[in-house]
Amino acid sequence: SQQGEEDPQALSIQEGENATMNCSYKTSINNLQWYRQNSGRGLVHLILIRSNEREKHSGRLRVTLDTSKKSSSLLITASRAADTASYFCATDTTISSGSARQLTFGSGTQLTVLP
Amino acid sequence: DGGITQSPKYLFRKEGQNVTLSCEQNLNHDAMYWYRQDPGQGLRLIYYSQIVNDFQKGDIAEGYSVSREKKESFPLTVTSAQKNPTAFYLCASSIGRDRGNSPLHFGNGTRLTVT
Repeated sequence: SQQGEEDPQALSIQEGENATMNCSYKTSINNLQWYRQNSGRGLVHLILIRSNEREKHSGRLRVTLDTSKKSSSLLITASRAADTASYFCATDTTISSGSARQLTFGSGTQLTVLP
Repeated sequence: DGGITQSPKYLFRKEGQNVTLSCEQNLNHDAMYWYRQDPGQGLRLIYYSQIVNDFQKGDIAEGYSVSREKKESFPLTVTSAQKNPTAFYLCASSIGRDRGNSPLHFGNGTRLTVT
């Protein structure tokens, strides 16, 4: 079953606008990560936010985490055509003591930035 | 440059044949992972390995097999028992769970088509 679910499934904006994507999850997490995927390529890690953090910035990216609502958002400011990609959230959970970290991906938001 | 190399990029096979996908990393990472991605969907975990000579089943291991004889290499075999093998396969690695929160590094994937 999917742990993280992104919303919206697809988003189309004009260059220069801000893009906001949301992620909801079901169980307790160690951290939440956002990844980007260009068409036909592998995923690239963007940012990791720990469960005890509420907000994190990296360049034009801003991530928030609300553990009480089990949700996170990714904001891309001043978007560019090169930001066009799929964006995935992934939740890091511990299955049981001594087991490997379980990272579960959502189905992604397809962002299109129009020039 | 350090990274993960998956080969080949495209692979075509006839139904009933086994096929092996290659994944090599020179990041000195302990943990390696195989994910499957279907169109418009997120990633699903097939197998993972925390250490050489050890690996664990993920969420959709049926019809797949792996080996981890060397730290750098984690090949995936798609067997004839896999009912829907056509997909995009992604290999990833990470430092390892026991070294704290660390993101996944992905290869650029192998697109397998079985007819």
